[in-house]
Amino acid sequence: KQEVTQIPAALSVPEGENLVLNCSFTDSAIYNLQWFRQDPGKGLTSLLLIQSSQREQTSGRLNASLDKSSGRSTLYIAASQPGDSATYLCAVRPWSNYQLIWGAGTKLIIKP
Amino acid sequence: GEEVAQTPKHLVRGEGQKAKLYCAPIKGHSYVFWYQQVLKNEFKFLISFQNENVFDETGMPKERFSAKCLPNSPCSLEIQATKLEDSAVYFCASSQSGSTGENSPLHFGNGTRLTVT
Repeated sequence: KQEVTQIPAALSVPEGENLVLNCSFTDSAIYNLQWFRQDPGKGLTSLLLIQSSQREQTSGRLNASLDKSSGRSTLYIAASQPGDSATYLCAVRPWSNYQLIWGAGTKLIIKP
Repeated sequence: GEEVAQTPKHLVRGEGQKAKLYCAPIKGHSYVFWYQQVLKNEFKFLISFQNENVFDETGMPKERFSAKCLPNSPCSLEIQATKLEDSAVYFCASSQSGSTGENSPLHFGNGTRLTVT
């Protein structure tokens, strides 16, 4: 059974710092992995999707990596800003269906 | 539209009453998914549609939950005889494709918060 873990559960850093959020999964047979952010009272915003054949994806200040063999993905945020404060979730999609398996999220606070 | 639109934003129902939630997927997206978020970040898959056809309903508690995606109408998720444990945020998502062989990100709506009292 696939399990997705995100560490740490919460993170608070000063503005301007670069930071890394971690996501690990137990079954390497994934179809893709997607990173989302969730703002309080709002839905999920898709940030990056990494296909199983890819190693990383970049969008602006965000870079997501994928290492299937070790069951890990990281989300790197460069030059963090207060507007980056949100809960970040990773979700993996197995080959068999579209029932995403979710991590519990990392609550990120960027202090001005 | 360019966003997944969910209505209402909030819904309060007494235990035993019916609740109906709506979702308009992004125009051009063929797949619609419903998720239930009970705890802070715990998402439970409910059902998915390919156009108006049920694609995967293995997550649906079929006794009281039903869903439809009819042509030219918003998709809907209906809960008959709500229970306290149905209190959650229900998210709808859409994608261009849901089939194996293609990678299409899910785009989520802002959710409907259902409170059962």
